[in-house]
Amino acid sequence: EAGVAQSPRYKIIEKRQSVAFWCNPISGHATLYWYQQILGQGPKLLIQFQNNGVVDDSQLPKDRFSAERLKGVDSTLKIQPAKLEDSAVYLCASSSAGESSYNEQFFGPGTRLTVL
Amino acid sequence: AQSVTQLDSQVPVFEEAPVELRCNYSSSVSVYLFWYVQYPNQGLQLLLKYLSGSTLVKGINGFEAEFNKSQTSFHLRKPSVHISDTAEYFCAVSVFGGAQKLVFGQGTRLTINP
Repeated sequence: EAGVAQSPRYKIIEKRQSVAFWCNPISGHATLYWYQQILGQGPKLLIQFQNNGVVDDSQLPKDRFSAERLKGVDSTLKIQPAKLEDSAVYLCASSSAGESSYNEQFFGPGTRLTVL
Repeated sequence: AQSVTQLDSQVPVFEEAPVELRCNYSSSVSVYLFWYVQYPNQGLQLLLKYLSGSTLVKGINGFEAEFNKSQTSFHLRKPSVHISDTAEYFCAVSVFGGAQKLVFGQGTRLTINP
């Protein structure tokens, strides 16, 4: 079974530029998460989707970050304009949405963003 | 709100020595507890989890952890480490019955010296 795919793996941009990251979850997984991992810190949830609806985006800086999950499969996370403090690894994860109270999250390899 | 504190940012140990990585959490509701491992330039991999039942849980690669509700701790242990265990380890919680968002600690870098 293929895992969570992310691209690109690395991206370097100048501040004030825009950037987009792509995630393809495990086939059949209804729930998709985007996490931001700043160097030396643990991952922090930015947004959670259930199919193509947003479950939680309370920690997404909505003035510059946006995310979508059209058709409830792939997802794109965009930053516009980027700031220096956005330098981080952006992790995508997915899980099934069964009736169990716990569904394991599977993580992709991440996209490392450097803002100069 | 939930929070996780990993008490050591770095832990150096010699190969074949035992290791304990400490984790404490704070929550006003029941939580699930997790340990993840992150190897360089890779995503997170689940080591083990506590959902309910026995407080001693065993995971992959010989790791185990013990849930202590009174001390709100979930420390990770391995009796004998290997060079290949060098990685970043993250403790995390999610709310029982909630949307299953993970709240992570800041991580502990485990370095194994020969």
